[in-house]
Amino acid sequence: ETGVTQTPRHLVMGMTNKKSLKCEQHLGHNAMYWYKQSAKKPLELMFVYSLEERVENNSVPSRFSPECPNSSHLFLHLHTLQPEDSALYLCASSHATQGNTQYFGPGTRLTVL
Amino acid sequence: DQQVKQNSPSLSVQEGRISILNCDYTNSMFDYFLWYKKYPAEGPTFLISISSIKDKNEDGRFTVFLNKSAKHLSLHIVPSQPGDSAVYFCAASGRTGNQFYFGTGTSLTVIP
Repeated sequence: ETGVTQTPRHLVMGMTNKKSLKCEQHLGHNAMYWYKQSAKKPLELMFVYSLEERVENNSVPSRFSPECPNSSHLFLHLHTLQPEDSALYLCASSHATQGNTQYFGPGTRLTVL
Repeated sequence: DQQVKQNSPSLSVQEGRISILNCDYTNSMFDYFLWYKKYPAEGPTFLISISSIKDKNEDGRFTVFLNKSAKHLSLHIVPSQPGDSAVYFCAASGRTGNQFYFGTGTSLTVIP
């Protein structure tokens, strides 16, 4: 399998649930990203991992918790989410050198009831 | 405050004609710019990029122009095809860090 994959593609969860989003890249990259895309808003960068260390955390609520066990895998752990967290969550990867193009996965469409 | 802006949420163009998508940015420290294309239910796909040392980059039917003094870039698609119908995002990054800033996207419809 090539490129950036994300599972699940769709997720519906209640506010008290705990779930995890998974991202895997097969491009040999060493930086990975989580973005949130809400309707009519620009993509919002949530977290950046470069060489498996978190380097950016853009004031994301603690109910979102990232994990990067190795350069190919990235997780986003979700707990006690709010309905306004419903969005498309996109994972991307790139080479860690600044300015390199990011390649995106298909996204997970999350609905919080 | 949004640092990358796409002021046209939608654009319709006849097949065979030129599509011009525009993007403005506010941060003069940005030096690398990209365009992404996104179909429904898919993630954004990289289309073309340009660094600030150039003012034009061409790849087949796609050309990106950069006007640094105006802090403006544009994507030209010639000739436009129905398969080009998608949402187009521009993005910019600075000289440090891994962060890209995205616009809100322009939905292009190419009419057969």
